[in-house]
This record gives sequence, C-alpha cells and structure tokens, in this order.
Amino acid sequence: ETGVTQSPTHLIKTRGQQVTLRCSSQSGHNTVSWYQQALGQGPQFIFQYYREEENGRGNFPPRFSGLQFPNYSSELNVNALELDDSALYLCASSFRGQNEQYFGPGTRLTVT
Amino acid sequence: GENVEQHPSTLSVQEGDSAVIKCTYSDSASNYFPWYKQELGKGPQLIIDIRSNVGEKKDQRIAVTLNKTAKHFSLHITETQPEDSAVYFCAATNQAGTALIFGKGTTLSVSS
Repeated sequence: ETGVTQSPTHLIKTRGQQVTLRCSSQSGHNTVSWYQQALGQGPQFIFQYYREEENGRGNFPPRFSGLQFPNYSSELNVNALELDDSALYLCASSFRGQNEQYFGPGTRLTVT
Repeated sequence: GENVEQHPSTLSVQEGDSAVIKCTYSDSASNYFPWYKQELGKGPQLIIDIRSNVGEKKDQRIAVTLNKTAKHFSLHITETQPEDSAVYFCAATNQAGTALIFGKGTTLSVSS
C-alpha cells in the first residue's frame, strides 16, 4: 500500500508569485484535504476535494484554489503569494464516508 | 466558531513515567476525535482515534478517553520511551464532517 506523497519537498518563492503544490493520495482513497501549518501551530483546514469538486472550505481567501484529478491526485494553487503564506502545506487522503485522514510529509513553502 | 483547545503546550517526563494531554472542543456536533504524532520534518501520523459513541479506547501503551457531556478528551501514554518524544495534536471533526479542527499541539519530551 502506497502512502500519501507530496512534491516538491521545499520551495522558495517571492511575494506576488504563484505556486502549485502536488499530492498523490494513498491507494484506495478518493478524498483529498489540504491543510496549512504555520510554525508552532496546528494544521488549519484549507479545503477538501471529492469527485474532482471542492467539498468544503476553511477560512482561506479565493487566491487559494485546488484541483483533483480522475486518479484522485490533487493540486493546491496559491496566487499572489504573501509573506504570511510561508508554512508547511499538508495533504491528507481519506475514503469518502470514513473519518480517518492520513497525512503526507508536506511541502515547506517560504515566501520572501 | 469551531475551536479545539489543548493543554499543556509542553510536557517533560522521565522515561517510564506516564504522560497525559487534554483537549476540549466547542462544537457539540463533532463525532470523531483523532490524535496525531508529528516528528521533526515529518507530517502528522495518526496514532489513535475515538468516536463519539465510545468512552475509551486503548492500543498497547496509548489510550484515549472521551467525555461528550463535558466536551473533553484526553490522550494517555504509559511507560513512556525516548522515541515518544514528538509534538502531539488532538483534533475534532467540524460540523460538516469534512475537516479536522486541530489543537495547537503539545511538545512531549521524554528523557532517559
């Protein structure tokens, strides 16, 4: 069984730029959730995707957007990057109807 | 809004001692309560969970208790070992059941 994978591991961007982060869900899982984890804090829910559609969203502005593909992998896109977007971005996969969410290793984004 | 509070923020114990971490949640609709362990540079790892229809669950050295009336749940680790040192997060599902709302984490240090 393959776990959740994310790419890239680290990324450095400049304020105002755009970034795309990628996630492959655990085999057998059809739902992907994205979280932002600031340094020293717990993860915060950004949104969830199921059947290629957004299925719930946290308190994040529209410049945070996502996609889910037919193979259940997902992308997180952030436009007009701000310094406060610097964080660890975590992807979690799950099976629709089951509560357990399994996290990937994360992508560390630094905005300068 | 939905909120999870976690205490203490740091906990230092001697090897072999027990450790207890406590959380409270605000949303009475929450029905699933997982605990995650996060080691440095890694994503959160699901270590145990409990559902609202159960009061206690045990898995080897770790156990979780839930008091739905008081909206409290706790993680108990017995016979702690140095490899238990990590940041532990509690979480609760949001009203829609799509997102996990996390506490701010507890840094557990086990010294030998």
